[in-house]
Amino acid sequence: AQSVTQLGSHVSVSEGALVLLRCNYSSSVPPYLFWYVQYPNQGLQLLLKYTTGATLVKGINGFEAEFKKSETSFHLTKPSAHMSDAAEYFCAVSRRVGGSQGNLIFGKGTKLSVKP
Amino acid sequence: NAGVTQTPKFQVLKTGQSMTLQCAQDMNHEYMSWYRQDPGMGLRLIHYSVGAGITDQGEVPNGYNVSRSTTEDFPLRLLSAAPSQTSVYFCASRRAGGSVSTEAFFGQGTRLTVV
Repeated sequence: AQSVTQLGSHVSVSEGALVLLRCNYSSSVPPYLFWYVQYPNQGLQLLLKYTTGATLVKGINGFEAEFKKSETSFHLTKPSAHMSDAAEYFCAVSRRVGGSQGNLIFGKGTKLSVKP
Repeated sequence: NAGVTQTPKFQVLKTGQSMTLQCAQDMNHEYMSWYRQDPGMGLRLIHYSVGAGITDQGEVPNGYNVSRSTTEDFPLRLLSAAPSQTSVYFCASRRAGGSVSTEAFFGQGTRLTVV
């Protein structure tokens, strides 16, 4: 079975501070992992993805994530938060076993607030 | 390039009514899916399709029907709306190449309230 757990439903940081959003996964096969961002009243937009190869993945808007197999983690970071980063962030794993392969299994989401 | 287009954006239904949520994509993607988003639950897969004429159930299919007569369109039908179907619905599409690792593109969502 595959699953994703996001630690912390709400995270608040000050503008200019480090952003760290945590994601742990469970997968019986090598996972394909994704981070999506959802701005208020919008659809989901891909930030970055990990499939194979380099474990440090760079995405859009200055975000990056590191795949750590030993820790089963795929945490999202950004060195310096901007007000425009306030949104909800979803970690997801692509189904690779059983039915509906290729569809996404999402975590419950983390809402990021950025204080001026 | 419009991407994935969902209509309507907002809808209020009475319990027992039926309706169809529309989804269209112009990227010639083979795969399309419907998810529902509920507070604190993330997104959950309702139904999906791997091509015209082929559909299958996701993890929460009860109360919903789908069909895929063309590559572009993937409508979601609510047969008899219930308050438990109050949610935000997202349609997504992705290309088939690359097996399970290709990026999904999402529509803007339909916010449905059932009273």
